[in-house]
Amino acid sequence: AQTVTQSQPEMSVQEAETVTLSCTYDTSENNYYLFWYKQPPSRQMILVIRQEAYKQQNATENRFSVNFQKAAKSFSLKISDSQLGDTAMYFCAFMKRPGAGSYQLTFGKGTKLSVIP
Amino acid sequence: ETGVTQSPTHLIKTRGQQVTLRCSSQSGHNTVSWYQQALGQGPQFIFQYYREEENGRGNFPPRFSGLQFPNYSSELNVNALELDDSALYLCASSSRTGKSEAFFGQGTRLTVV
Repeated sequence: AQTVTQSQPEMSVQEAETVTLSCTYDTSENNYYLFWYKQPPSRQMILVIRQEAYKQQNATENRFSVNFQKAAKSFSLKISDSQLGDTAMYFCAFMKRPGAGSYQLTFGKGTKLSVIP
Repeated sequence: ETGVTQSPTHLIKTRGQQVTLRCSSQSGHNTVSWYQQALGQGPQFIFQYYREEENGRGNFPPRFSGLQFPNYSSELNVNALELDDSALYLCASSSRTGKSEAFFGQGTRLTVV
């Protein structure tokens, strides 16, 4: 079974500054995907960024980037130039690379990020 | 907007009753997953449907059941509701081609009293 741990229940950052959210996971799988999802007060889970474990290059999406350390089973999210709209719960999630099986996501407990004007 | 819609948005039920939640998947997506998110927690996987059959199940009792229809929409049914079933229920749809990403609906907030 896979587990995902987010050790920072809450964080805050000044607008325009950079913040890093931490995530560690435990798995015996070699091929898998990792995700960061954002959940604003509207409740809808929004995909922020995706990383495939077999790719050594860290994923980036505009202001969002990850630091993926496969050996350490670490997957942190860096948000640059933080904006007020980034205020939300952030969830780290794991998915085994699906063959014919389930596309099940395993989530961490989340980090509540507040961007301060 | 992800194209995944859930209904209703809010629901209040009494302990012991039964409830049905509905989800319309994004166009072109043939896989639907359901998650339960208790207050202050991350979502927990309930089960998944692919081509109208259950294709993976989390640690939930049999009173949680589901259906998927030919148009890939889905229902989650919960029988004999308990107070602990109060949660946000999220539906996610995926395509089995491409990036294996899950797109979520806005959820149904179920309160059991």
